[in-house]
Amino acid sequence: GAGVSQSPSNKVTEKGKDVELRCDPISGHTALYWYRQRLGQGLEFLIYFQGNSAPDKSGLPSDRFSAERTGESVSTLTIQRTQQEDSAVYLCASSPRTNEQFFGPGTRLTVL
Amino acid sequence: AQSVTQLDSHVSVSEGTPVLLRCNYSSSYSPSLFWYVQHPNKGLQLLLKYTSAATLVKGINGFEAEFKKSETSFHLTKPSAHMSDAAEYFCVVSSGGSNYKLTFGKGTLLTVNP
Repeated sequence: GAGVSQSPSNKVTEKGKDVELRCDPISGHTALYWYRQRLGQGLEFLIYFQGNSAPDKSGLPSDRFSAERTGESVSTLTIQRTQQEDSAVYLCASSPRTNEQFFGPGTRLTVL
Repeated sequence: AQSVTQLDSHVSVSEGTPVLLRCNYSSSYSPSLFWYVQHPNKGLQLLLKYTSAATLVKGINGFEAEFKKSETSFHLTKPSAHMSDAAEYFCVVSSGGSNYKLTFGKGTLLTVNP
């Protein structure tokens, strides 16, 4: 069956522009997570959705970052006024319950 | 609060020799522990998980890990390395009432030499 998918796979943008990253979770998975992986680092938790509500946004690094989810389906992570330090791989994961998470391939964001 | 320390950023072994990737954790609650593997240009894949059942956990591709509460460790081992094992490995802890938030170690890059 289909796994978690993310688009685009690569995104190059100029400093100050806004970007949208998309995640399609595995069908039926109620929980969805966003993480950021900077070069040579482990993953940093950004935000967690249960259905379309976000009980934990504690990992979002600034108010330039926001995320939405439509029901138990697609999620979009938006970064406004991108900065060079936003360059990273953004990973999405989904889970049928709050323990085992299945990860997508990620979106590599480069801010010039 | 929870944290994970992967003691080696890079491990290099010869094909056919044992693999040991070390991980220590800190958690205020009874933790769930995971090892994930990330091959180049591929997504993270779950190797194995510990969730308070048997302390010796067997995973995919011949890997296993032992939960040692007294040492707060969860080291990953494999008796004989294969070239295809070359990848980045992440030790991960999840704990607390909600049990959803994963905290990742910084990763260990495994190189397998022919």
